[in-house]
Amino acid sequence: DVKVTQSSRYLVKRTGEKVFLECVQDMDHENMFWYRQDPGLGLRLIYFSYDVKMKEKGDIPEGYSVSREKKERFSLILESASTNQTSMYLCASSSPDMYNYGYTFGSGTRLTVV
Amino acid sequence: GNSVTQMEGPVTLSEEAFLTINCTYTATGYPSLFWYVQYPGEGLQLLLKATKADDKGSNKGFEATYRKETTSFHLEKGSVQVSDSAVYFCARSGAQKLVFGQGTRLTINP
Repeated sequence: DVKVTQSSRYLVKRTGEKVFLECVQDMDHENMFWYRQDPGLGLRLIYFSYDVKMKEKGDIPEGYSVSREKKERFSLILESASTNQTSMYLCASSSPDMYNYGYTFGSGTRLTVV
Repeated sequence: GNSVTQMEGPVTLSEEAFLTINCTYTATGYPSLFWYVQYPGEGLQLLLKATKADDKGSNKGFEATYRKETTSFHLEKGSVQVSDSAVYFCARSGAQKLVFGQGTRLTINP
């Protein structure tokens, strides 16, 4: 089975801190995605990547950046954390054959910014 | 555009009740359709899928049929259990991304 591992289940950070959320997948998937999930707003796509060193903005990229130096790892960076970035963050990966297999998600990181 | 519309929640049922969660989609072409489930404190897990019209996806007693004529993929279960309490997301394939509905929170009372 594909595994997508997010480095932390819970994080508490202070306003203004630089925050790194790490995501690693072990099935050689080309595509990786970062979403945030908030009550009443569903899943919102922040950034995605179809290949190493490649990134594309999703629907809500402001305040975030990403890094994909290796195929298996996709990092989400909050340059200067703010309280409105308190959320559940979900990483997902997929092969190019998303049509048949969809995404595999990690367990999520619940980030609180105080 | 491409979108997915789900029945608004929350939905509360008693154990052994029949469940339907509605999902409709807009699309050009013929997308694949998915249901994901999110248990409390967890990420999303693939529950079932269908890749072409009239396909029925099934898993853990849940079923959904790909209806092209009504552009729907409603999730059903004949007899729900307390352990089915979760958030359910409908999704369709798009241009190298999935498009998700807003999610429906389901609570099953004993």
